[in-house]
Amino acid sequence: RKEVEQDPGPFNVPEGATVAFNCTYSNSASQSFFWYRQDCRKEPKLLMSVYSSGNEDGRFTAQLNRASQYISLLIRDSKLSDSATYLCVVREGGKLIFGQGTELSVKP
Amino acid sequence: DTAVSQTPKYLVTQMGNDKSIKCEQNLGHDTMYWYKQDSKKFLKIMFSYNNKELIINETVPNRFSPKSPDKAHLNLHINSLELGDSAVYFCASSPFGRSEQYFGPGTRLTVT
Repeated sequence: RKEVEQDPGPFNVPEGATVAFNCTYSNSASQSFFWYRQDCRKEPKLLMSVYSSGNEDGRFTAQLNRASQYISLLIRDSKLSDSATYLCVVREGGKLIFGQGTELSVKP
Repeated sequence: DTAVSQTPKYLVTQMGNDKSIKCEQNLGHDTMYWYKQDSKKFLKIMFSYNNKELIINETVPNRFSPKSPDKAHLNLHINSLELGDSAVYFCASSPFGRSEQYFGPGTRLTVT
């Protein structure tokens, strides 16, 4: 079993759509949780941290369920510029464990 | 001003050669990392240094040797390159004890 598993992609959605990504992690001792974004042939960049209480940053909402070991990311009113690969990331000890990523393509 | 920089950006070389990738960060961070992203896009940590000391060493062949001359630099030397070493190698840094990591632009290594 992979340490961090994500929905297989790609997700192809029209502009303005709402899209949700899911992620599960295997180690219940994982300490911190994040979503990173990686554009094609670019480096990963931190999108947002994920907290148990849920958190929102503009059109992006992240949720964490520690009991189910499940993380989600919701993107509302998607823009063309949201097209990228979204990486679910957990922290274990001093290192980050990355999921394979889910590719999102937003079309006009 | 580039925060985390890597050189070279592209590296094409033949099997058996030895090559180095350099990384520098000007963020004042204490911790630096090397990651490998393979063709299936999995990003996996290889090494981590904190203030020039090795703190994470994942199961990586001995042919890979990191070197940190100071806390702003972390270089990666690879001996006897193999086809399976072809990947994108990312350097990253973070403040000590913090989880957010800042990545360099990556070095695309192709071994022929």
